[in-house]
Amino acid sequence: DVVMTQSPLSLSVTLGQPASISCRSSQSLVHSDGSTYLNWFQQRPGQSPRRLIQKASNRDSGVPDRFSGSGSGTDFTLKISRVEAEDVGVYYCMQGTHWPRTFGQGTKVEIK
Amino acid sequence: EVQLLESGGGLVQPGGTLRLSCVASGFTFSDYGMTWVRQAPGKGLEWVSGITSGGVNTYYAGSVKGRFTISRDNFRNTLYLQMSSLRAEDTAVYSCTRGLWSMDVWGQGTTITVSS
Repeated sequence: DVVMTQSPLSLSVTLGQPASISCRSSQSLVHSDGSTYLNWFQQRPGQSPRRLIQKASNRDSGVPDRFSGSGSGTDFTLKISRVEAEDVGVYYCMQGTHWPRTFGQGTKVEIK
Repeated sequence: EVQLLESGGGLVQPGGTLRLSCVASGFTFSDYGMTWVRQAPGKGLEWVSGITSGGVNTYYAGSVKGRFTISRDNFRNTLYLQMSSLRAEDTAVYSCTRGLWSMDVWGQGTTITVSS
């Protein structure tokens, strides 16, 4: 199985400051069709997960533009340009290239 | 409105069986692959199983392979997860999601507790 490794596992950020989460995969996530199926999800406390980013860098409709995804191959990053109070929660990367699909351990974001 | 509504959760003894259902509405169910994801109490997300839009191909996590069976009824817009030989470590909230390589719609989840 592809192992997804996130870092850090916990992040304490001052409001208005940037935040960055790394996600590394044990195998390349480039699919035979040429796409890279790396997703980012946000799970706010007490809520179901919500997709933020698909195919490594494509932001979902309604997701604030302070969220951005980047990376390729095995190395990916989710960045929040200016953290707001509503961004508190746990962030997961997930690969959709290989079977079985696998999630990262999650990164808990809190406000300092 | 696009919605996924799970049901069938509950308390079950170790070794028992349970069937989860997920009714989809607001979109053409038969056009989409579907996925089950679970989350144990206080833990992260775990991908469980996926099924292609027509139901021909199914996929499982190693932790459930041979014990769980995913299926779907495109006439009833319903996704299923048949679970057998349940273990304490299967205790989790099980969520139905739309998509196979990515999941853009999530249900609220149904809770399974495996305990004697």
